[in-house]
Amino acid sequence: GQNIDQPTEMTATEGAIVQINCTYQTSGFNGLFWYQQHAGEAPTFLSYNVLDGLEEKGRFSSFLSRSKGYSYLLLKELQMKDSASYLCVPFTGGGNKLTFGTGTQLKVEL
Amino acid sequence: DADVTQTPRNRITKTGKRIMLECSQTKGHDRMYWYRQDPGLGLRLIYYSFDVKDINKGEISDGYSVSRQAQAKFSLSLESAIPNQTALYFCATSGAGANVLTFGAGSRLTVL
Repeated sequence: GQNIDQPTEMTATEGAIVQINCTYQTSGFNGLFWYQQHAGEAPTFLSYNVLDGLEEKGRFSSFLSRSKGYSYLLLKELQMKDSASYLCVPFTGGGNKLTFGTGTQLKVEL
Repeated sequence: DADVTQTPRNRITKTGKRIMLECSQTKGHDRMYWYRQDPGLGLRLIYYSFDVKDINKGEISDGYSVSRQAQAKFSLSLESAIPNQTALYFCATSGAGANVLTFGAGSRLTVL
């Protein structure tokens, strides 16, 4: 089984920094994906963490602590186009059958 | 051209009709997937295929069937569409292991 917990909604201001937290419980763990999904569009890949620590990619960074079952996505210099759902997706192996929750709906305001 | 192409992008049909959603990919990947998304809900896996001769049911396969015609093609069929199959359908592909899923743009199906 798999249990993912992340906030349903968050609101932040353009130009600010926001951190989206995710805790998970899985039977088996190989890594963790973050995807972005704009309303009515397909999810797009943001990051994949296998080892503990911070992975930085431009304005987006993702952190993983395997012992704590915890990850976060950090978005810097927020832009209006960052308004989207952010999906925390643990990968447990088994052929990449990812289980997607509803994610965190981020709204960026002026 | 898109890496994953879905057709049709939008379809309105009536209860009881047979519908096929098609998906093709140019990534050269072996693995392909069909998901559906309902408003306010996460993606749910319908069927997946790890190679041309492999078909597996996902969590919500009832009422659906698939065909893997070639490495690059994976189609989803609704033999007799019903209104609660109204949803946004996504096809995706990936390589082996913990590989990134690349999604198509989606097919919006409305069953009246």
